Amino acid sequence: DTGVSQDPRHKITKRGQNVTFRCDPISEHNRLYWYRQTLGQGPEFLTYFQNEAQLEKSRLLSDRFSAERPKGSFSTLEIQRTEQGDSAMYLCASVEGGGPYEQYFGPGTRLTVT
Amino acid sequence: SQQGEEDPQALSIQEGENATMNCSYKTSINNLQWYRQNSGRGLVHLILIRSNEREKHSGRLRVTLDTSKKSSSLLITASRAADTASYFCATGGGSARQLTFGSGTQLTVLP
Repeated sequence: DTGVSQDPRHKITKRGQNVTFRCDPISEHNRLYWYRQTLGQGPEFLTYFQNEAQLEKSRLLSDRFSAERPKGSFSTLEIQRTEQGDSAMYLCASVEGGGPYEQYFGPGTRLTVT
Repeated sequence: SQQGEEDPQALSIQEGENATMNCSYKTSINNLQWYRQNSGRGLVHLILIRSNEREKHSGRLRVTLDTSKKSSSLLITASRAADTASYFCATGGGSARQLTFGSGTQLTVLP
């Protein structure tokens, strides 16, 4: 257990539905990342928060995706009008401080779009 | 897009043997990290090596970095069945200091 939690762990939804995932980072960590991992591949960067500010988004993050981190604590990732191609593991990671330090990953949310 | 490639894609060894995984990457880096992922779970950080370091040890792990060849290797000595997992290298950098992962090596340690 890294101290980062994600909810739900699994989500099955029908195409076209909206889904929202939550990440609770380690409390003193000011940086938070979302990644997406498809089967047989390494995680790919989606977006990054420093405290409550969303500072960077990958081009993988289409306009159907939105992420928030109110008050610089937990974060949510919402996918609107889900597509089958959105099926993946969504991972959250948090980091303390400003250096290139190790990232602490949550257990992930596995999304299946039918 | 994936920054690097791990080699081999899959490795199967007997308990007690050593396992070596290699990683190549494409761009200049600040650091390189190795992570382990058990099936269907999140990633766990193993070791970080900075661009000005050549070798680093942590317990049964030994990591080398050759920035001139843009490559790194992870050696796990005296492997155990519990080491069965996917191993990923990841390079740190970019304005968000995000990690860019390779495609991973699936290690199976047979008891």
